[in-house]
Amino acid sequence: DQQVKQNSPSLSVQEGRISILNCDYTNSMFDYFLWYKKYPAEGPTFLISISSIKDKNEDGRFTVFLNKSAKHLSLHIVPSQPGDSAVYFCAASTPGTYKYIFGTGTRLKVLA
Amino acid sequence: SAVISQKPSRDICQRGTSLTIQCQVDSQVTMMFWYRQQPGQSLTLIATANQGSEATYESGFVIDKFPISRPNLTFSTLTVSNLSPEDSSIYLCSVEERANEKLFFGSGTQLSVL
Repeated sequence: DQQVKQNSPSLSVQEGRISILNCDYTNSMFDYFLWYKKYPAEGPTFLISISSIKDKNEDGRFTVFLNKSAKHLSLHIVPSQPGDSAVYFCAASTPGTYKYIFGTGTRLKVLA
Repeated sequence: SAVISQKPSRDICQRGTSLTIQCQVDSQVTMMFWYRQQPGQSLTLIATANQGSEATYESGFVIDKFPISRPNLTFSTLTVSNLSPEDSSIYLCSVEERANEKLFFGSGTQLSVL
C-alpha cells in the first residue's frame, strides 16, 4: 500500500515558468511533510517542509501548499531554473516517529 | 547540518557474494537509518541502527540478509549478503536532525549485481 503517491513520474517546464509538483497521501495521521531534491549520483537533499498546522510554507523560490482535506500537497518553484532539473521526492511522517514515508519521485526537467 | 560520508559510491558484484557499505557522520547521532531505492521506486526504510543495540528492521527486511553494525555514535555499516540481481539498487544511509525534523542523506551506493 503506497501511502505517499507522486502520480506524475516526469514533468518538463520552460525556464522562467512555474513548476508544480504534486503529492497525495492516504494516511490522515501524517502531520509533517517534506520535499527532497535528488541529483544523479547524489543523496537526496532537503528542500522545504510543512507542518499540518499550516497550509503554506515559503522559502525563496520554493513554496509548499498543504490541503489536508484533500490529503494533497504541492511544491511550486517560481521561477524555474535549469539547475532545478532533478528528481523531487515528497515524504511524510506521523507524530512521535522517526519514520518517513517517501513517494516514488517526479523527474523535473527545466528547459533553457 | 550533518555531513555524511558513504562508501563505496558504486560497486558491481557477483551473485552470491556480499557487499558492505560504510557510513560515517561528522557528529554524534543517536539513530542512523538505512534506505534502499530500487529502480523507479521510492526510498524504502530497511532498518534503524542504534548504538549499542541491535538494529530494528522494517517489514520485509531481515537481519540475515541485511546485517548492520553500529559500533559508535558516528559510524555504521550495512552488509547486503548473498547477492542476487534483485538487490541491484541504491542504498542510502541517513541521520535525523531532531531539532529541525529533517533527514540528511549520504551520497548513496549504487549496487549492481551480475
